[in-house]
Amino acid sequence: SQQGEEDPQALSIQEGENATMNCSYKTSINNLQWYRQNSGRGLVHLILIRSNEREKHSGRLRVTLDTSKKSSSLLITASRAADTASYFCAMYNNNDMRFGAGTRLTVKP
Amino acid sequence: ETGVTQSPTHLIKTRGQQVTLRCSSQSGHNTVSWYQQALGQGPQFIFQYYREEENGRGNFPPRFSGLQFPNYSSELNVNALELDDSALYLCAIIPVNTEAFFGQGTRLTVV
Repeated sequence: SQQGEEDPQALSIQEGENATMNCSYKTSINNLQWYRQNSGRGLVHLILIRSNEREKHSGRLRVTLDTSKKSSSLLITASRAADTASYFCAMYNNNDMRFGAGTRLTVKP
Repeated sequence: ETGVTQSPTHLIKTRGQQVTLRCSSQSGHNTVSWYQQALGQGPQFIFQYYREEENGRGNFPPRFSGLQFPNYSSELNVNALELDDSALYLCAIIPVNTEAFFGQGTRLTVV
């Protein structure tokens, strides 16, 4: 079973719009990471937020973390067709990393 | 540079057979984890190896086994293959409290 839940399961937007994906988890974490996967290949690391951080930015990506609610969100601003992929949150705790079920993002040109 | 290489990239096996998947990294890391990802699902944790010993296991039966070698390369072995074992198998190097590095995966099809 997955260790985290993500919503929505699928998201379809127009190029230029913002995309928001949410992740909820159940266990304690040292950090939470977001990964991207194209066409069922390897996972590419996007951004890491530590348990004592509340918000982090990287280019067009913004991640928030609320440890009291055990939830995180990933915002992609000004989306591009090339952002079309599956996005996964990963909960890291003491060298153990577990994943959510993912959000499938489609950005239409 | 922590390039993670998995081999083979694709594999077709018959139900009941055994398979060995391999993982290596350019730099030595003593923690390697294996994941199974069914189509349309998130990666599921199979097990982790630390200094050549199994150091954690997900909800997978004993026919899933592994090895880690002194050079930190690793193998995933699956015996008595079932149709539901068809999936993408991912190997990851997971340094302490920082980003993980994934291989491109091995696509296993069981027919």
